[in-house]
Formats: sequence, C-alpha cells, structure tokens
Amino acid sequence: DIQMTQSPSSLSASVGDTVTITCRASQSISNYLNWYQQRPGEAPRLLIYAASTLQSGVPARFSGSGSGTDFTLTISSLQPEDFATYFCQQTYSTTFGQGTKVEIK
Amino acid sequence: QVQLQESGPGLVKPWEPLSLTCTVSGGSISGSYWSWIRQPPGKALEWIGYIYYSGSTNYNPSLKSRVTISIDTSKNQFSLKMTSLTAADTAVYYCARYSSSSVWYFDLWGRGTLVTVSS
Repeated sequence: DIQMTQSPSSLSASVGDTVTITCRASQSISNYLNWYQQRPGEAPRLLIYAASTLQSGVPARFSGSGSGTDFTLTISSLQPEDFATYFCQQTYSTTFGQGTKVEIK
Repeated sequence: QVQLQESGPGLVKPWEPLSLTCTVSGGSISGSYWSWIRQPPGKALEWIGYIYYSGSTNYNPSLKSRVTISIDTSKNQFSLKMTSLTAADTAVYYCARYSSSSVWYFDLWGRGTLVTVSS
C-alpha cells in the first residue's frame, strides 16, 4: 500500500494567518492527490483534486501544490470557518493521510 | 442538491454481520459510482469499496473477503454488508459519491454513522 504521511498532526493559528499542511507519499503518485476538510459533525468536503485544482465552490484562499511524493495545502487568510481537520488522499490505490487538525490559537 | 445519509445499527455484537444503507436524495443514483469509507477512532480513513450504478464493484483487498456492496436504483440506495465483525471494525462509516475528472475523488459525503462492535 502507498502510505500517506501528513504533518503536522495539529497546529494552532489565528484568524488571518496563512497555514501550510504537508502530505508525503511513500512512493511517487504524480498528481493523484486530493485534499478534504472535515468540520466536527459535518460531512467531509472535497477542497482540491489532482493536487492543485480547486473544487467548484471552494474559496480561492485554499490552494494546493506538489507532484511526485510531496504535496502542500495552503490556506491563506484563515477564516473562522476554516478551523477543522484536513486530510489528504492518494488516488492510485486510495489511502488517506492521518489528518491535520487546525485549531484556534 | 444531492445529499447522502447513512443508516443502520449503532451497536453490533462481535462476529455478527453489519448492514448499513446509504440513501441518496436530491438526485439520481444512476450514472455514478458510490463508495463506503470508514474511520476507526484516532485512525486514518480507510476505503472499503465502491459500486457502479450498474452493479459492478471493487473492494479494498484487505476487506474483500468480508464485504459486499449492493445497490437498489429503484430506492436510490446502496448498501454495505460486512461479516465477522470484531472490535477492530468499530468506526464511523461514511458513504460517498466517487467521481472523476482528471483523477478520481470523493466529491459528496454523508455525515457518517458510528458503529461500535461490542458484546
């Protein structure tokens, strides 16, 4: 199986901050990488697919980059509704990262 | 808009089977792929399998021997059956739509249902 390692597992940030979450694959996955957001009690939400394509309806402050084994999700100008858990998913054989919880500082 | 809702028992005894249903509302189940995913407490999400509206399926090899996913287009529902449950199967179970553009992704999810395996 392709292992996905996310870091950090949690972070604290303030409204207006820029945060970066990384996801590393145990082998090259080209751009076969998606990012999701999950707020407590809500359904997970697709944010970015194919490493850098923003899903329809997702604010432009979310961006993704990377290829091969190293990927990043960046949230610019963090908003109150962005405090949530984020996880990556590789689509070669469908495995997920452990998640990164973004908390209010 | 299209919404997904999981339903089923919250408590299952060890070695008994689990049956969950996902109801698709606001749109047709036809023409799409549908999937089950689970998340044990404190662990990463794990893909269980998917089904096409035509009935063709694909399962996670690690669960394949215990899992069956079926679909009822007349009811706009698809279902998960898992046998021989143990405590390791305690998890939040999600249903999701499995779609593709340049890559495959889960673009719609239910809120999930917690299944606890315990006597």
